[in-house]
Amino acid sequence: GNSVTQMEGPVTLSEEAFLTINCTYTATGYPSLFWYVQYPGEGLQLLLKATKADDKGSNKGFEATYRKETTSFHLEKGSVQVSDSAVYFCALSGGGNKLTFGTGTQLKVEL
Amino acid sequence: IAGITQAPTSQILAAGRRMTLRCTQDMRHNAMYWYRQDLGLGLRLIHYSNTAGTTGKGEVPDGYSVSRANTDDFPLTLASAVPSQTSVYFCASKGGPTEAFFGQGTRLTVV
Repeated sequence: GNSVTQMEGPVTLSEEAFLTINCTYTATGYPSLFWYVQYPGEGLQLLLKATKADDKGSNKGFEATYRKETTSFHLEKGSVQVSDSAVYFCALSGGGNKLTFGTGTQLKVEL
Repeated sequence: IAGITQAPTSQILAAGRRMTLRCTQDMRHNAMYWYRQDLGLGLRLIHYSNTAGTTGKGEVPDGYSVSRANTDDFPLTLASAVPSQTSVYFCASKGGPTEAFFGQGTRLTVV
């Protein structure tokens, strides 16, 4: 079946540091890939998505590129802010409408 | 405001009691899902429904049941709650090959 593996946290960075959160996947066919963000006490919100190979999703300074050859969808941001502190989930949507999530990576950004 | 509404927001429940978590969406999405979120385990799919009148089992269905009498509502029932069902529960909906939308969650404590 489908699966998503993302780096374990917590990841602690200083403000303005570069962020990378790794995500790799296993799936049949051509899934859509997503990054969701969960702020404390809230539900998940879509951060960005990519629906086919080589697509780059971007939002709020975050980017991720759908790499079919390495089955990866790594999340990056050039300069993080304290307000980016949250839990980030990588997910894929394959056949049958099912969403499969990674275990989440907690990001803490300090001044 | 369009979206997904979950109720209650939080609940403390005695073991052995029956409990129904409510979920309503107004986006006319066909697919709906119930996830539980536990520290270190990410989001795990409990049950899903691809369209009104149909349901399916997810990764961790035992002890839970769902129904989908219409497009908008997707209640989750715990027939006889146990402490291991203490978790945060999220309902989500999805309209076709797009991202899923999440409710704000229900924090359930079984004592």
